[in-house]
Amino acid sequence: NAGVMQNPRHLVRRRGQEARLRCSPMKGHSHVYWYRQLPEEGLKFMVYLQKENIIDESGMPKERFSAEFPKEGPSILRIQQVVRGDSAAYFCASRTELKSSEQYFGPGTRLTVT
Amino acid sequence: AQSVTQLDSQVPVFEEAPVELRCNYSSSVSVYLFWYVQYPNQGLQLLLKYLSGSTLVESINGFEAEFNKSQTSFHLRKPSVHISDTAEYFCAVSATSTSGTYKYIFGTGTRLKVLA
Repeated sequence: NAGVMQNPRHLVRRRGQEARLRCSPMKGHSHVYWYRQLPEEGLKFMVYLQKENIIDESGMPKERFSAEFPKEGPSILRIQQVVRGDSAAYFCASRTELKSSEQYFGPGTRLTVT
Repeated sequence: AQSVTQLDSQVPVFEEAPVELRCNYSSSVSVYLFWYVQYPNQGLQLLLKYLSGSTLVESINGFEAEFNKSQTSFHLRKPSVHISDTAEYFCAVSATSTSGTYKYIFGTGTRLKVLA
């Protein structure tokens, strides 16, 4: 059973470009979370999605950031018009339907904005 | 709302010595508690979790943590550390509300450095 997969692992974008980060949850998991880890900091919750629904986006910046989890395919975190401050590691996690289940984390996408 | 405090940002310790990484939380509702370990440039791996029941939980590689409700703590301990334990350790909580999102609130992490 493959774990949570994220691609790309490293992404370099110039200021003003778009960044698309992909996350494939573990097989059988329909709950996906995105977290951001700024340099030398802990992880901060961004958004929680179930298939075709955004459940909680209270941690997402109001502008330029969006997320989706379509019926088919991976979850996508999209950052438009990236700025240097977006440079961070973005982690995706998934869990089962069981609410007490721990979250399984992917290896992360390290975004560098030049 | 929940919050997590990891007071020690860095903990140096000699190999084979004991270590305790501290985690305190605040919450107005019951929580689940987790410790994750992150090796350089990697994702987070679950070390152990407390959901309910016995307040002492153990991992397969010698770590243990004790849930103390009165002190709102979930400190991580290991009686004898190895060089390979050098990593960053994160404490996390999630609320147990049935209507909640079960998102994690993380501490800022403790960097454990094991010295030869």
